[in-house]
Parts: sequence; structure tokens; C-alpha cells
Amino acid sequence: QVQLQESGPGVVKPSQTLSLTCNVSGGSISSGSNYWSWVRQSAGKGLEWIGRMYSGGITKYNPSLETRVTIVADAAKNQFSLKLSSVTDADTAVYYCARALSAARPFDSWGQGILVTVSS
Amino acid sequence: DIQMTQSPSSLSASVGDSVTITCRASQNIGPYLNWYQQKPGRAPHLLIYTASNLHRGVPSRFTGSGVGTDFTLTISSLQPEDFATYYCQQSDTIPYIFGQGTNLEIK
Repeated sequence: QVQLQESGPGVVKPSQTLSLTCNVSGGSISSGSNYWSWVRQSAGKGLEWIGRMYSGGITKYNPSLETRVTIVADAAKNQFSLKLSSVTDADTAVYYCARALSAARPFDSWGQGILVTVSS
Repeated sequence: DIQMTQSPSSLSASVGDSVTITCRASQNIGPYLNWYQQKPGRAPHLLIYTASNLHRGVPSRFTGSGVGTDFTLTISSLQPEDFATYYCQQSDTIPYIFGQGTNLEIK
């Protein structure tokens, strides 16, 4: 069974770039039709889908964040990462990585989540 | 974006009760509606996918129905471990949108 684990700094300064990594075990990010997503949860906005990556590096982003988001894969490490630039207080949230088995399928595996606080 | 409206936002019930949560999409999403359960400090956990399909390992007291714009999640014979927050999510169209959640509390 696939397992996901987020890692990265818990505090990011305003205007800087948030960088998180999701380590995947029990399955390859490069194989099959799996879609790998980032989802965040804040008190103010609930659960928000950030974007996804498909094997081969094809990405789709939430239009509300598209100008600031990049999701990339590191196949050698079986990881994928999130970069969110120009962060503000509104980006303080718990960030989850998650998997869907295909484009229209649900998120059936989730990481435990990592709290990222934007603070100077 | 498709808007997802869940109701009620909170609900009180007793062990053994049956409860129903509704989720309405602002446009037709076919069957592409999923339900998750979340407990404090934990990631959401998939319960039901494509409106009515039970995820593996989920007890049969959870049932989902609906198509198009109107969907329901019913939990029959509530157990103590069912008191949590429930979210719907549409997976038909990007950006994927979640409902605002229903907090199910013990009466």
C-alpha cells in the first residue's frame, strides 16, 4: 500500500518561497496512471486543492494559485515537491500530499500533513 | 469554479442514530462526488467515491447516493468512532473543490 510523507520547514517568512517535499513509498511516482496532488487546509478556507502532477511531469494547478505554484517530480528519489512563491499570512495552513488513481478519482492515500506558518 | 455546498455545517446525534449529510454542486458533476471523514489532527480519510462506492475497509453503515448536482451521505447506526468532520469533494472538473465540512458531534 502506498504511503506518503511530507517534509519541509514549518515556518516561512512573508514574501519568501514555501518548499515542501512528499516522499512516496510502496509505489512509484513514475508508473501507472497515478496523479499526485497537494492539498492544504486552513481555518479560513477549509480544504483547498493546490495542484497535481501526473507521471511524466504533466501538471495542472488551481487557477487561484497558478501564478505562484510549481509542482515537480524527482523520480530518482520517488518524491514530488511543492513550491509556492511570495507567501503571505493567507498561506499558513496544513499542507497534505495525496494520491488519486486517475484523473477523476478521489484522493485515496494521504500524507499525515505538515503545518506551515508564514511569519516573520 | 464549481461551488460545493454542504449542509448542515454541524449536526448533533447520539450513538445508534442515523444521520444524513447533503452536498450540492453548482453545476452537473455526474457521479464524480467523493466523501471523506476527518478527525482532529489527522488527514482526511476516503469513505465513498463516485457518489456511491464504498472505499475498501469502510463499514457498510456508510452509504452514498446522488448524481448530477445533489448528493447525500448517510450514516446509519452511529458508532462512537463516527463523530468527526465530513467533507464532500467534486473530482469532475479542475479545480477540485471541497465542501466546507459538516461537524458531527455527540449529543
